[in-house]
Amino acid sequence: QAGLTQPPSVSKGLRQTATLTCTGNSNNVGNQGAAWLQQHEGHPPKVLSYRNDKRPTGISERFSASRSGNTASLTITGLQPEDEADYYCSAWDISLRAWVFGGGTKLTVL
Amino acid sequence: EVQLVESGGGLVQRGGSLRLSCAASDSGFTFNNYWMHWVRQAPGKGLEWVARINGDGITDGFTTSYADSVKGRFTISRDIAKNTLYLQMNSLGAEDTAVYYCTTVDTDWGQGTLVTVSS
Repeated sequence: QAGLTQPPSVSKGLRQTATLTCTGNSNNVGNQGAAWLQQHEGHPPKVLSYRNDKRPTGISERFSASRSGNTASLTITGLQPEDEADYYCSAWDISLRAWVFGGGTKLTVL
Repeated sequence: EVQLVESGGGLVQRGGSLRLSCAASDSGFTFNNYWMHWVRQAPGKGLEWVARINGDGITDGFTTSYADSVKGRFTISRDIAKNTLYLQMNSLGAEDTAVYYCTTVDTDWGQGTLVTVSS
């Protein structure tokens, strides 16, 4: 199944803002929106946002998601050391009838 | 917040079979109300969607669907009485070695269970 496209790595300084991108097509991101997941080494993924911009209870307001056309974005403000993790986007593909994932972006906080 | 708990992983020889189970910690979470999925992650790799099963009354014309990589070998199912989700895995190969997660994907994830296929 075709996946979503994410940059492999992003590096930003402490307290800076990072914007992660995720590009799909009209059958997935452009149609159903995207979810964003955070995964620390050795832990399961944690949902940061779903259906483009909804934030689960307990997720910091420093994490905000949006979408423009076939590209979804996750913006993290005021970067903290604990934000260093892998970030995955995911979207339901109406043609494949499957969730498709991006390859993940490794965020490094300098 | 519901907790999904997977079990059944372990070491299996190539060509062998395993059945994974997933239970919900909250009895108010009934699997047949949700589209449920299995997603796996090979060591050091990204997330890969494996299979899904529809919730009752919510359909796109297909009750289940599978990734091409597991089609014909894996079967997703659920036991409503036991409120448990399953993944039957047959003809396992080294490429199936991964942590397997029970998940709704956009809301809840389990802790995962490790499947290791030895050659």
